[in-house]
Amino acid sequence: GAVVSQHPSWVICKSGTSVKIECRSLDFQATTMFWYRQFPKQSLMLMATSNEGSKATYEQGVEKDKFLINHASLTLSTLTVTSAHPEDSSFYICSAGPLRETQYFGPGTRLLVL
Amino acid sequence: GDSVTQMEGPVTLSEEAFLTINCTYTATGYPSLFWYVQYPGEGLQLLLKATKADDKGSNKGFEATYRKETTSFHLEKGSVQVSDSAVYFCALSEGGSQGNLIFGKGTKLSVKP
Repeated sequence: GAVVSQHPSWVICKSGTSVKIECRSLDFQATTMFWYRQFPKQSLMLMATSNEGSKATYEQGVEKDKFLINHASLTLSTLTVTSAHPEDSSFYICSAGPLRETQYFGPGTRLLVL
Repeated sequence: GDSVTQMEGPVTLSEEAFLTINCTYTATGYPSLFWYVQYPGEGLQLLLKATKADDKGSNKGFEATYRKETTSFHLEKGSVQVSDSAVYFCALSEGGSQGNLIFGKGTKLSVKP
């Protein structure tokens, strides 16, 4: 079946640094990818919709200058957490699909900011 | 706004027991409803879905019926196995898309042999 990969699977960084997370569709092209954030024991919250070749659409309350999204190709979207702080520590998950009606989720990236 | 409420876990069952995980939703329109499963160390996988009222989604012995009158989409399985141990998420999406999903908080299921 379709596979979506994320890299890295986990990352630890110092406060103030930036971290880039990649989301790749391995056997299909995706014009749209979605980024979610999951806090411990809580549901996934949609952060933004990543659109190939255009600007991402952010959900209310998500800082677009804090969470930079780049969807430079039909198989890759990146989420950059800029000037990361401890409160940004979380589990970040992407989804992608050949169609919006069918989405496959990546395994997630666990970020810990010290 | 739209929301999903599912029963809190964790849920612990013995093998071959009957499973029900309750899920109710609030939506302004006519959403599609989904159940996702997350096995340890893996990404979310679509388990089943229903796109309109009275539809029944089913997969791997799991079932859920879209009940518009009670705004519910409860997940059931008649006989659980140890391999069903995972976290289950109820979700909705407007317009049939699996993008822009609104998730419940997830219910962790542990099945003991």
